[in-house]
Order: sequence, then C-alpha cells, then structure tokens
Amino acid sequence: GQQLNQSPQSMFIQEGEDVSMNCTSSSIFNTWLWYKQDPGEGPVLLIALYKAGELTSNGRLTAQFGITRKDSFLNISASIPSDVGIYFCAGHSPKTGANNLFFGTGTRLTVIP
Amino acid sequence: EPEVTQTPSHQVTQMGQEVILRCVPISNHLYFYWYRQILGQKVEFLVSFYNNEISEKSEIFDDQFSVERPDGSNFTLKIRSTKLEDSAMYFCASSLIAYNEQFFGPGTRLTVL
Repeated sequence: GQQLNQSPQSMFIQEGEDVSMNCTSSSIFNTWLWYKQDPGEGPVLLIALYKAGELTSNGRLTAQFGITRKDSFLNISASIPSDVGIYFCAGHSPKTGANNLFFGTGTRLTVIP
Repeated sequence: EPEVTQTPSHQVTQMGQEVILRCVPISNHLYFYWYRQILGQKVEFLVSFYNNEISEKSEIFDDQFSVERPDGSNFTLKIRSTKLEDSAMYFCASSLIAYNEQFFGPGTRLTVL
C-alpha cells in the first residue's frame, strides 16, 4: 500500500504553544484529510484538502496541501488540553485509483497544562 | 449533526466463531467502508461498497470476510471464522461521493480469545 509518514511521531508541548506536524509520501495524492483520534474512539475529520497549494483553516487549525502533492502539514495554534490525541493524515492515491483512504502513521500530541 | 453509528461497541468472541459488526452510515451517503486498526497502529482499509456491491477490497479482506447492506440503513461486516489476529478496532465510514471526505463511526472493539 501507499506509505504516508508523519513527523514527529510524538510531541509534548505546553498549553498555549503552537504545534506543527507533517505528512509526507513518496508518491502524489489527490486529497489530503486530517483526522484526530481520541483513545478508544473513531477518527474525527478536522480538515479536508483537495487542490495542490490549498490552505484551509478550521478554527485554530490550519492545513495545507503541498504543491508537490506529496506532502501536507497541520498547524494548531494556541494549544489547549483538549487538543491531546493522535492526529492522522490520510489521502486518496491516484496510483491505485481506489476510493479508499490511506492513513499515515500518526502524531501523538500531549499538551501539558 | 448526522453521524455514523456502530454496534456493538465491544465484542468478545472465541476463535473460530462468526461475528457480525453493524453500522448505520449517514443517511444520504452513497459510499460505505470498513477499516480496522490494530492496537497502537494506523488505520487500514478493508473494503468499500457502492451501489450494493463491493467496489474495492484490500489484501486483508479475504474469504473469511463479507459485507452486506441488508436494508436501506444498515451496513454489516461479517467475519466467518475469527482468528486471534482479527482482534482490532473496526471502523465503519461513509461518504456522500467518491474521493471525498469520509466520516467514521466510533468503532467496534473486537477481541478474539
């Protein structure tokens, strides 16, 4: 399957700090979606990106679809304790032509009050 | 706000037994999916379903797995003879159109003893 690598794997930050995380692939993707997962729960969609270069915000979250179509980043501004969780990138690959999502390896975020 | 629901939230079964996991996708969505997540790992695609038939499936989705839309609202995943390695969280997802945002349910935790 398509490999999506996320960095960092985990991060510990102080409440109020900004956060940045990345997702990269060796092949291009047609969409980039960012999800947050709390323990024992399903992924919750945060932001969806559909065009290379697209920059989209959702409250304190901002994500961009890389112009090479091989990467995306997610920024969280002014972090709060409820931002704790695992953040996954996911996307549709034109290589397979399939409608399913490939998921990244995840970034585990811990916010220290 | 419409959401995907899944039952049961937790299923414990003996190896070799059949299990059926149930999902109610978002009502106006046309594409349905099953994914699984082994503890501590990323989310993996199993199967997608559209127009009352399987549209794509992964290598994981072998002859032991089947899906069905028995009526206008439910979408089920059956594992015919469970194995220890089937223990995982199983997520149902749905989307309105292809290559678009997918919305996930809360998951069913399957434990095979």
